[in-house]
Amino acid sequence: NAGVTQTPKFQVLKTGQSMTLQCAQDMNHNSMYWYRQDPGMGLRLIYYSASEGTTDKGEVPNGYNVSRLNKREFSLRLESAAPSQTSVYFCASSETTNRDYEQYFGPGTRLTVT
Amino acid sequence: KNEVEQSPQNLTAQEGEFITINCSYSVGISALHWLQQHPGGGIVSLFMLSSGKKKHGRLIATINIQEKHSSLHITASHPRDSAVYICALRFGGTSYGKLTFGQGTILTVHP
Repeated sequence: NAGVTQTPKFQVLKTGQSMTLQCAQDMNHNSMYWYRQDPGMGLRLIYYSASEGTTDKGEVPNGYNVSRLNKREFSLRLESAAPSQTSVYFCASSETTNRDYEQYFGPGTRLTVT
Repeated sequence: KNEVEQSPQNLTAQEGEFITINCSYSVGISALHWLQQHPGGGIVSLFMLSSGKKKHGRLIATINIQEKHSSLHITASHPRDSAVYICALRFGGTSYGKLTFGQGTILTVHP
């Protein structure tokens, strides 16, 4: 099992460009999450999907959109990238959000917006 | 607002030393997670606990619900333990599995 995979690993964008970060999990988990990690700050939740067909905003959703394509895949889209979105993005999954299960993280995508 | 406080922020140790990393929080929680972030960036879940103590190999995690405090201990530390250790909380209720993360403790173990 690959666990949680993310593509791409690295990306450089110019201000105003758009891109989609892809995430997939093969653990049959119901819930998936997108986080960003910035220096000096803890991981912050951007969006999450409690189950297939549902998505909800997290702590820092502005400037992002998400799609839960199916149970396996959860994508994060930046419609018009800004330098403030330079960060490392992590996707994670867990069995469900209704109880306390550990979260499994992808390897991260390092995004730079110039 | 800082709902999760970790200490110390940076910790340097010699191989073999006993390590303690602390996590304090201010409101009730349903569970606390300890995570390890490797120098390459990958994040791994070490423990999830809501009471008492858990042990895995040289790692021990404890939580005191009344005092709103958790500790992560590493016995006989080794350079491969060098990583960032992150405490994360689930506040329960309608938080739907969402975690709130501490800033992390950077641990460096020298041979």
